[in-house]
Amino acid sequence: GNSVTQMEGPVTLSEEAFLTINCTYTATGYPSLFWYVQYPGEGLQLLLKATKADDKGSNKGFEATYRKETTSFHLEKGSVQVSDSAVYFCALSVSRAGSYQLTFGKGTKLSVIP
Amino acid sequence: DTGVSQDPRHKITKRGQNVTFRCDPISEHNRLYWYRQTLGQGPEFLTYFQNEAQLEKSRLLSDRFSAERPKGSFSTLEIQRTEQGDSAMYLCASSLLVAGVNTEAFFGQGTRLTVV
Repeated sequence: GNSVTQMEGPVTLSEEAFLTINCTYTATGYPSLFWYVQYPGEGLQLLLKATKADDKGSNKGFEATYRKETTSFHLEKGSVQVSDSAVYFCALSVSRAGSYQLTFGKGTKLSVIP
Repeated sequence: DTGVSQDPRHKITKRGQNVTFRCDPISEHNRLYWYRQTLGQGPEFLTYFQNEAQLEKSRLLSDRFSAERPKGSFSTLEIQRTEQGDSAMYLCASSLLVAGVNTEAFFGQGTRLTVV
């Protein structure tokens, strides 16, 4: 089956620190990979995505590269801000019978302190 | 369009009661998904619709759960004879499938159900 494993939190960083949140996956078929973010009191928002091997998704200073050889999609940001405090979810989608349903990791809570 | 909206945002119910949640997707989206998220976990897929047709149901969707999308627009998720284990956040998402390409899924803010 499909599954996503991401590093457990919570993660606490000082402002301007470097962020890495690890994500690995197993999938039947060729998945698309996503990072979603959930800010306090809000719904899930797509942060970035990659649809094929070696693609790099980027948005708001965050980046993740689709590594097929290591089945990984690690999220990185060079300098985090207090406003980045949120829960981050790694997810995959495989077009199994056309459903495109998302399989999520458990989420990683990030707290950035001034 | 203001995005995907869900109603109510919060629901507290007694064990054994029935509850119904509503989801209004982005208007032009033909796909609608329901997910369930329990504390400390990521969302888990429950079911999805293509227009008004319910095409897949997860094994998580017991026979106490039923979902409809009668006119291919809004959807309802009903839970009958609620149990404490049903306490969770219920998320709705919508997307547009055109020519075999699915756009990103846009999520609502969810309905938080507490069964006491």
